[in-house]
Amino acid sequence: ETGVTQSPTHLIKTRGQQVTLRCSSQSGHNTVSWYQQALGQGPQFIFQYYREEENGRGNFPPRFSGLQFPNYSSELNVNALELDDSALYLCASSLGGADTGELFFGEGSRLTVL
Amino acid sequence: AQTVTQSQPEMSVQEAETVTLSCTYDTSESDYYLFWYKQPPSRQMILVIRQEAYKQQNATENRFSVNFQKAAKSFSLKISDSQLGDAAMYFCAYRRGGANSKLTFGKGITLSVRP
Repeated sequence: ETGVTQSPTHLIKTRGQQVTLRCSSQSGHNTVSWYQQALGQGPQFIFQYYREEENGRGNFPPRFSGLQFPNYSSELNVNALELDDSALYLCASSLGGADTGELFFGEGSRLTVL
Repeated sequence: AQTVTQSQPEMSVQEAETVTLSCTYDTSESDYYLFWYKQPPSRQMILVIRQEAYKQQNATENRFSVNFQKAAKSFSLKISDSQLGDAAMYFCAYRRGGANSKLTFGKGITLSVRP
């Protein structure tokens, strides 16, 4: 069974640039959610995709957008980067509809905005 | 809105001793899950233990157990026989019942284990 994988693991951008983060969900999982974790804080929910449709969104501006592909992998795109976007971005997958409650997390992508 | 509060930013425990990490939450839902996640320096969130709100019995996973007080909205984690590998950040999290709902995390607590 393949776990959740994310890429890249680290990246550095400058203000105003755009970034794309990628996530491959655990085998058999059709739901992917993204979280932003600022240093020393708990993760904050960004949005969730279920079968290629966004079906939940947290308190993040529209410059945070995403996609889910037919193989259930996902991308998080952030436009017009700001310094406060520096954080660890976590992807989690689950089997939507099964309601087991459990999410499986990747190791995250550490974004630094200068 | 649901909130999760972890008021202790740091705790320390002697190896082989027992430590309890506190968490409170607020919700008006009756169907929900509570979790404790561990995040070591490797950054990956690892599920430690899960509690379904409808279950009165406290969840147990080997050395990890919870004290779930539904009326008080309290959900503490007890780690017995602490090991050096238990050192990490621990997050309490809430999820409403029903498919595809989000996790709400507390701010976390840093646990150190003294040899």
